[in-house]
Amino acid sequence: NAGVTQTPKFQVLKTGQSMTLQCAQDMNHEYMSWYRQDPGMGLRLIHYSVGAGITDQGEVPNGYNVSRSTTEDFPLRLLSAAPSQTSVYFCASSYSGGHSPLHFGNGTRLTVT
Amino acid sequence: SQQGEEDPQALSIQEGENATMNCSYKTSINNLQWYRQNSGRGLVHLILIRSNEREKHSGRLRVTLDTSKKSSSLLITASRAADTASYFCATDDSGGGADGLTFGKGTHLIIQP
Repeated sequence: NAGVTQTPKFQVLKTGQSMTLQCAQDMNHEYMSWYRQDPGMGLRLIHYSVGAGITDQGEVPNGYNVSRSTTEDFPLRLLSAAPSQTSVYFCASSYSGGHSPLHFGNGTRLTVT
Repeated sequence: SQQGEEDPQALSIQEGENATMNCSYKTSINNLQWYRQNSGRGLVHLILIRSNEREKHSGRLRVTLDTSKKSSSLLITASRAADTASYFCATDDSGGGADGLTFGKGTHLIIQP
């Protein structure tokens, strides 16, 4: 049982480049989400989805896009990378949003130069 | 914005001692959860306590919740070197808004052998 799988583990981008962070879960969870973790800031919610075809914004959505075409996958797209997006990104899933425990991937460490 | 605030920010104790971490939050909640994060890894769920519960145990972990003071504590008894990690509280807020958890900034716990 793989749980939540994130790829890549590390990525370096130049300012203005775009990329997609991949997230897949095999637990049949309806809820999936993306957080970013910055030093001294804890985790902040970027976008989330309560089911296939449904996405919504979290606390810090600017500069990011998401889509949810299947229950399993929830990719996060950086449209035009900026140094302020240097962070560690975590994907997490659960049965029922914040009402149940979140299962986290191991993160993607992104550096934008 | 951050909902939970952990205290202390950092804690260093000897192996075998008990470790207590506190979390304060600002708004009404459905539940409060505690997570552990080892260096370079994703977060792992420890305990979920609902707003109508006052105390919960899981192995060497004891969590209390005081909704009148908007605070929670995590007690780790008989600490081990493997307990060295960062610990985060997270709230499922009941006031509407984004569906997901709001995390604090974490307590970094070091267990000295």
